[in-house]
Amino acid sequence: NAGVMQNPRHLVRRRGQEARLRCSPVKGHSHVYWYRQLPEEGLKFMVYLQKENIIDESGMPKERFSAEFPKEGPSILRIQQVVRGDSAAYFCASSSKQGEAFFGQGTRLTVV
Amino acid sequence: AQSVTQLGSHVSVSEGALVLLRCNYSSSVPPYLFWYVQYPNQGLQLLLKYTSAATLVKGINGFEAEFKKSETSFHLTKPSAHMSDAAEYFCAVRPGGSQGNLIFGKGTKLSVKP
Repeated sequence: NAGVMQNPRHLVRRRGQEARLRCSPVKGHSHVYWYRQLPEEGLKFMVYLQKENIIDESGMPKERFSAEFPKEGPSILRIQQVVRGDSAAYFCASSSKQGEAFFGQGTRLTVV
Repeated sequence: AQSVTQLGSHVSVSEGALVLLRCNYSSSVPPYLFWYVQYPNQGLQLLLKYTSAATLVKGINGFEAEFKKSETSFHLTKPSAHMSDAAEYFCAVRPGGSQGNLIFGKGTKLSVKP
């Protein structure tokens, strides 16, 4: 019973480098969501994707952040030129069209 | 815009005592409401959800929540706390109804004393 798989679990990047976070949804799920969790904060919605389409990116910062969910392979959240403020836990969730969302264990990004 | 407010960032109870975690929502449409639990360094696990059926919703691990429209509340309760209930709990609303992203509250950390 493979749930949502995120990798890596921990990622350390120096300021200015790129971070690539991967999310493999539950088998058969075509909806993927990315959230960011800062210390002492709840999860903040970033982007909602279906296969090959971005449905809602209202929570994505306008610069440096991008997301994709290709026809084949995992969803990728990419952060270019990382800064210290990008340090956070990034969670991916997947669902079927009207099903509940299942969450991965998250990727903890540390920018040094 | 829909939002969720969780009253109390930290709640501490004794083992065997009642657990009450508060959540109030704002929504212009009938809401879909959720409670999730997060253990340290883990993802979120769904405890229960309200989708406009019965107002009293039973979830996993003995938790339940009651939807009260007049109070715009969806408080989470458990009659008797167990040490293993120590975790962070998040209330969430889904603006899109049956699909779409979730809007989370800031969370409540539950401590259980022996």
